Amino acid sequence: EPEVTQTPSHQVTQMGQEVILRCVPISNHLYFYWYRQILGQKVEFLVSFYNNEISEKSEIFDDQFSVERPDGSNFTLKIRSTKLEDSAMYFCATGTREQYFGPGTRLTVT
Amino acid sequence: GIQVEQSPPDLILQEGANSTLRCNFSDSVNNLQWFHQNPWGQLINLFYIPSGTKQNGRLSATTVATERYSLLYISSSQTTDSGVYFCAVEGDAGGTSYGKLTFGQGTILTVHP
Repeated sequence: EPEVTQTPSHQVTQMGQEVILRCVPISNHLYFYWYRQILGQKVEFLVSFYNNEISEKSEIFDDQFSVERPDGSNFTLKIRSTKLEDSAMYFCATGTREQYFGPGTRLTVT
Repeated sequence: GIQVEQSPPDLILQEGANSTLRCNFSDSVNNLQWFHQNPWGQLINLFYIPSGTKQNGRLSATTVATERYSLLYISSSQTTDSGVYFCAVEGDAGGTSYGKLTFGQGTILTVHP
């Protein structure tokens, strides 16, 4: 069964550093999403992406965040200058009506 | 935006017991999904159920869209059922685009042997 994959599974970075989280969507899916979950809290929507552009973003998704599909297969989330409060699990999801989630990347900012 | 409320927030069961988890939402939805978050943090798809009833083994779900709620039933619970159960909905904003999921706060289920 096809699945969404994410790398790395865990990333530790220092405050102020840039990080790139990667996702490989299920092939033939056209809609891509990033969500995050701060430890102990609910999952929150960050951004959706369709046809090579952002279709919707939340207020969390400020200028420090960006997404792109650099090579037609990977889907990436970049955080330009990480803050302590960016520490969270980041999930990539793909699909159309039903969304399929990847296993997540746990980002720890120290 | 759409509001999602789950109940109960915590549930403790003995192995073999049955349980019902509830998800209320504040507006019409295009999509409703139930997830199980395992101890490793992964979100496992349980059901895609914007309306109607589905069953998968010991789990079943029912969504009554007109009354804006969904129920997840777990029968003969096992210790491996422990974890957090999330309901997530996509509000019906019209059009044909596929939008964000809004998650509830989750139900923390603990099943004791």
